[in-house]
Amino acid sequence: DILMTQSPSSLSAFVGDRVTISCRASQSVNKYLNWYQYKPGTAPKLLIYAGSNLQSGVPSRFGGSGSGTEYTLTISGLQPEDFATYFCQQSYGSPYTFGQGTKLEI
Amino acid sequence: QVQLQESGPGLVKPSQTLSLACIVSGGSITNNDYLWSWIRQPPGKGLEWIGYIHHSSGRTYYNPSLKSRTAISMDTSKNQLSLELSSVTAADTAVYYCVRTPSGLLVRFDPWGQGILVTVSS
Repeated sequence: DILMTQSPSSLSAFVGDRVTISCRASQSVNKYLNWYQYKPGTAPKLLIYAGSNLQSGVPSRFGGSGSGTEYTLTISGLQPEDFATYFCQQSYGSPYTFGQGTKLEI
Repeated sequence: QVQLQESGPGLVKPSQTLSLACIVSGGSITNNDYLWSWIRQPPGKGLEWIGYIHHSSGRTYYNPSLKSRTAISMDTSKNQLSLELSSVTAADTAVYYCVRTPSGLLVRFDPWGQGILVTVSS
């Protein structure tokens, strides 16, 4: 299985900040990398797919980049509603696997 | 807008079979553009993909770690997806999600249901 490792596991920031979350795969996933946002009690939400493609309806302050084994989620100009948990997921190889999550806190 | 809603017992005894349903509204599960997946998250742990089903091909594909105990099926008359996980243990305690997955190479999960917590305990 492809192991996905996120860093940091938690992150403190302020409204208006720019933050980056990293995701490392145990082997190249060739940009088959997605990012999700999760808030307790709600359904997880797809933000970015295929490394850098913004899902329809997702604000443009979210961005994804990377290649090979290293990927980054960037949020520019944090909004109060962005404080949540973020996790990456690879779809290069089955079984599809997820990172352990990064909790973004105020 | 497609919505998914999981249902089922919140408590299952060890060694029994966990059975969950997922009602899909706002779209048909027979749409060949999509697969339908189950994903779970044990308390304090990461997400784990369980498997998916595709209507037109009847194809199912399971995570090898769960394959021997898992069955995913569809009831097209109810527009419903089902999950059965047999011989459960405490390690199967988790929030279970049903999720839509576009067919094709760019496998991604969207949208998700709200999830249902299933506890395995005597």
